[in-house]
Amino acid sequence: GENVEQHPSTLSVQEGDSAVIKCTYSDSASNYFPWYKQELGKGPQLIIDIRSNVGEKKDQRIAVTLNKTAKHFSLHITETQPEDSAVYFCAASLSGGSYIPTFGRGTSLIVHP
Amino acid sequence: NAGVTQTPKFQVLKTGQSMTLQCAQDMNHEYMSWYRQDPGMGLRLIHYSVGAGITDQGEVPNGYNVSRSTTEDFPLRLLSAAPSQTSVYFCASSYDTANYGYTFGSGTRLTVV
Repeated sequence: GENVEQHPSTLSVQEGDSAVIKCTYSDSASNYFPWYKQELGKGPQLIIDIRSNVGEKKDQRIAVTLNKTAKHFSLHITETQPEDSAVYFCAASLSGGSYIPTFGRGTSLIVHP
Repeated sequence: NAGVTQTPKFQVLKTGQSMTLQCAQDMNHEYMSWYRQDPGMGLRLIHYSVGAGITDQGEVPNGYNVSRSTTEDFPLRLLSAAPSQTSVYFCASSYDTANYGYTFGSGTRLTVV
């Protein structure tokens, strides 16, 4: 089955810096890659996703890049703010049948004011 | 539009007791899943369903039962609670997990003493 590795497990940055979280996947057939943000005491929330026919997608200060050859995808957050502090999860899915996504272990992002 | 509603938000059980965690969604999503979240372990899949009347086991199904009699509801039953089942439980739903992300509930924090 699919295996998703997420790094780093903890990331500490100063407000205004950029943050990058990287995930690698094992199944080359995976073609849908969502990212979730989980604030303290809440459920994860989908913040951005990318499909395999796209190399990059942006939404204001966040962007996701996908390298299908290397089987990795990354979340980029620019101009970080204290409210970006949260746990971020990546996931990978493949189409067809009743496939359930595989999640990474999560990255705790801490943005220091 | 309520999204995914989980009840209760908090619960304390004694070892050996049984209970049902409720999950309901009003988005007409076919896919529903239950995850548990423990420190450092990310999200682990307990059971999932790809439509009414269809359920399957995830990564950590032992000690839990599910049923899906309607599209809207996906209750999780703890048969005989054990301290190892102390965790935060999240229900999630999706139109199609191969192409769309999950909508998560706000979670149930369960303590088994």
